[in-house]
Amino acid sequence: KAGVTQTPRYLIKTRGQQVTLSCSPISGHRSVSWYQQTPGQGLQFLFEYFSETQRNKGNFPGRFSGRQFSNSRSEMNVSTLELGDSALYLCASSSFGGVTEAFFGQGTRLTVV
Amino acid sequence: GDSVTQMEGPVTLSEEACLTINCTYTATGYPSLFWYVQYPGEGLQLLLKATKADDKGSNKGFEATYRKETTSFHLEKGSVQVSDSAVYFCALSPANAGGTSYGKLTFGQGTILTVHP
Repeated sequence: KAGVTQTPRYLIKTRGQQVTLSCSPISGHRSVSWYQQTPGQGLQFLFEYFSETQRNKGNFPGRFSGRQFSNSRSEMNVSTLELGDSALYLCASSSFGGVTEAFFGQGTRLTVV
Repeated sequence: GDSVTQMEGPVTLSEEACLTINCTYTATGYPSLFWYVQYPGEGLQLLLKATKADDKGSNKGFEATYRKETTSFHLEKGSVQVSDSAVYFCALSPANAGGTSYGKLTFGQGTILTVHP
């Protein structure tokens, strides 16, 4: 079956702009988590959605937000972009978001200039 | 809170050498443990997992055993190949889903492995 699909793969934005990233999970998976990966901080958890509800949130400012649709697809939005938001954003899909394994997409590489 | 510590990298080996990447964790109860691999320009791929003490996860010649007494999950391979060059992440998922645990994997800092012919 198809894996986790993230679009777009690459983005270049200017400081102060906003951006929306998309994630389509594996068919049948209802949990979608988002992570930010940077060389300095490693992999940091942003938030998790399950059945259109945010169940968990990491320690990121309110500029980072997300949502999930009834088909389990998820989007994350970053407003008022800063240079430090440049990162690889990874989406992970799992059945229930609990102790089961997660499957990752290839990520969206965001560069803020 | 939960945490994962991996051995410092990078690790450079010759082809057919033995590999060990150390991973220790701090968590309550019996978390599930994972090794993920990331190839250049790609996302993370699940390499192997173990969900209870003394379980051994294995895949593509890699192995790791869940050691509760030493809170460790070291990754091993008897003979590495050039194609194994990648970044390896140890991760844990809490024992019980709920609250601040939902959907959250805690990762180590990653270990860069380079294998030369």
